[in-house]
Amino acid sequence: QVTLKESGPVLVKPTETLTLTCTVSGFSLSNGRVGVSWIRQPPGKALEWLAHIFSDDRKSYSTSLKTRLAISKDTSKSQVVLTMTNIDPVDTATYYCVRRTVTTYAFDMWGQGTMVTVSS
Amino acid sequence: EIVLTQSPGTLSLSPGERATLSCRASQSVDSSDLAWYQQRPGQAPRLLIYGASSRATGIPDRFSGSGSGTDFTLTISRLEPEDSAVYYCQQYDSSLFTFGPGTKVDIK
Repeated sequence: QVTLKESGPVLVKPTETLTLTCTVSGFSLSNGRVGVSWIRQPPGKALEWLAHIFSDDRKSYSTSLKTRLAISKDTSKSQVVLTMTNIDPVDTATYYCVRRTVTTYAFDMWGQGTMVTVSS
Repeated sequence: EIVLTQSPGTLSLSPGERATLSCRASQSVDSSDLAWYQQRPGQAPRLLIYGASSRATGIPDRFSGSGSGTDFTLTISRLEPEDSAVYYCQQYDSSLFTFGPGTKVDIK
């Protein structure tokens, strides 16, 4: 069974750095057909793609946020980590970890999401 | 960067009716890189359609996708109460992903 589970702080203070971890099971991050993205959704708003790590370790970032984001993976731990620097209240959102495969070229499996609130 | 727009913003229909949702891209999109997702209230999104017209595993055949270039359509042929949700289109181009703003489907 394929699962992705996000973990990280529930509350973060402005200007701090947010670190989120995605732990996957049921598939391997070393699989050449799999990549993982982080996607967020502010309350009541639309989905926003943030970053993607491809199977060959290439990384891609949202144009508007790329200076604040870093994505990495630890294949041995089955984890993908996203860091976002200089956090602001507008970054309050549910953050999803999502799998993309070359079978569909789409986001076929989603984590349950983790809600992060930015407030002092 | 390709921008996606979706219309209408909200669709209010009765069970059994047909829903037609539009997704328009600011530049041509490879059909293999166009997908549709359903997000029910309080849930994570789920993949409905990939490659513009292929149904994902377990998706009922009342959902269908079509289109090419800059214009894509998601059709729900006979609405069921559980289809009440927000529907997003998404594309991939030049290592960047974007989502449309979504269409909310209300079942009367």
